[in-house]
Amino acid sequence: DPKIIQKPKYLVAVTGSEKILICEQYLGHNAMYWYRQSAKKPLEFMFSYSYQKLMDNQTASSRFQPQSSKKNHLDLQITALKPDDSATYFCASSQDTGAPISNERLFFGHGTKLSVL
Amino acid sequence: AQKVTQTQTSISVMEKTTVTMDCVYETRDSSYFLFWYKQTASGEIVFLIRQDSYKKENATEGHYSLNFQKPKSSIGLIITATQIEDSAVYFCAMRDLTGANTGKLTFGHGTILRVHP
Repeated sequence: DPKIIQKPKYLVAVTGSEKILICEQYLGHNAMYWYRQSAKKPLEFMFSYSYQKLMDNQTASSRFQPQSSKKNHLDLQITALKPDDSATYFCASSQDTGAPISNERLFFGHGTKLSVL
Repeated sequence: AQKVTQTQTSISVMEKTTVTMDCVYETRDSSYFLFWYKQTASGEIVFLIRQDSYKKENATEGHYSLNFQKPKSSIGLIITATQIEDSAVYFCAMRDLTGANTGKLTFGHGTILRVHP
């Protein structure tokens, strides 16, 4: 059974619309992340949360807003969608050890592939 | 700024041979962690192996091992006795103090590995 559930798996949206990408993890981790994978670009870090608090935001646009209603949830709301937002969005989690940096691995969900027309 | 470079776009090998994938990184920090992940054809991203910068010995995990050359800022992935199912995209990633308290990973562009029977 997948330990990190992302919904939906595929998503088609029209330019200017708003969508929410869902992520739930059942690994008992306290840190969650969003990464984006676009064509010809490496996996890009977007956000990190620890104990439901935003730790880092590397997205340039406020159109991307993470939402954490529970410790094991980290949804991603995207407003005013643009064709350039087309990508696969991966949710990930890890155990936050509290150290400034740690060697904890990330566990990834299967991704939500977003296509904006 | 931190940077991870994988110069090999794709590699093709015959089954049961050994393959090495290159990765060089840039960081100003003396302490950092290096990771290799694999992305299968289904899109799943899986952790393979990790190297802590303060450890001199190369990490090994099953038929994966690392060639860590700290003076060259290089962390090569070695896969021995390759199997068809090793065909995937392999990503090198780094976490340094730039990602302090955030868990951020910086990824390379990836190397496509094709294993032929």
